[in-house]
Amino acid sequence: DQQVKQNSPSLSVQEGRISILNCDYTNSMFDYFLWYKKYPAEGPTFLISISSIKDKNEDGRFTVFLNKSAKHLSLHIVPSQPGDSAVYFCAASTGSQGGSEKLVFGKGTKLTVNP
Amino acid sequence: KAGVTQTPRYLIKTRGQQVTLSCSPISGHRSVSWYQQTPGQGLQFLFEYFSETQRNKGNFPGRFSGRQFSNSRSEMNVSTLELGDSALYLCASSLGAGSEQYFGPGTRLTVT
Repeated sequence: DQQVKQNSPSLSVQEGRISILNCDYTNSMFDYFLWYKKYPAEGPTFLISISSIKDKNEDGRFTVFLNKSAKHLSLHIVPSQPGDSAVYFCAASTGSQGGSEKLVFGKGTKLTVNP
Repeated sequence: KAGVTQTPRYLIKTRGQQVTLSCSPISGHRSVSWYQQTPGQGLQFLFEYFSETQRNKGNFPGRFSGRQFSNSRSEMNVSTLELGDSALYLCASSLGAGSEQYFGPGTRLTVT
C-alpha cells in the first residue's frame, strides 16, 4: 500500500519556466511533509518542508503548497534552472506529534530542465 | 558544520556473509534513521535510533539490525546477505521529532 504517491515519473520543462511537481498521500495522520532532491550516487538533499498547520511555505525559488482536504501537495520551482535537473522525492511523516522520524517516500519524479 | 558521513561508500559481499555499515550524524543531532533505496521499491525506512534506543522500525526481516552509540554514531548490520539486499543504504540525522532529516551520501552494497 503506497501511502505517498508521485504519479509522474518524469517532467521536462524549459529553463526559466515554472516546474510543478505533484504528490498525493493517503494517510490522514501525516502532518509533516518534505521535498528532497537527489542526484545520482548521492544522498537526498533537503529542499523545503511544510507542516500540516500551513498551506504554503516559500524559500527562494521553491514553494510548497499543501491541500489537506485533497491530501495533495505540490512543489513549485520558479524560475527553473538546468542545475535543478534531478530526481525529486516527496516525503511525509507523523513526526511533529513526537516520537517518530520515519519518513514515507514517494517513488520520485525525474525533472529535466532544458537550456 | 560537517554533514552526515557514511562508511564505507562502496561494498561488495557474497551471499551468506554479513556486513556492518557506519553512520556519523551531524554534530548535535541525536536521531539517526536508516533507509534502503532500490530501483523497484524506492526509499524504504529501516529503523530509527534516538539516544541509543530504537524508536521506530520498518518492515524488514530480523537480519537487518542496528545500534546507536552514546556519541550518536550508528551502525547497521545485515546478516546472511541475500542478492536482494543489493541497494543503496542511506543514513539520515535530525535533531528530533518535527525537524527535517539530513542524509549522508549512502553506502552502495552489492551482493554477489
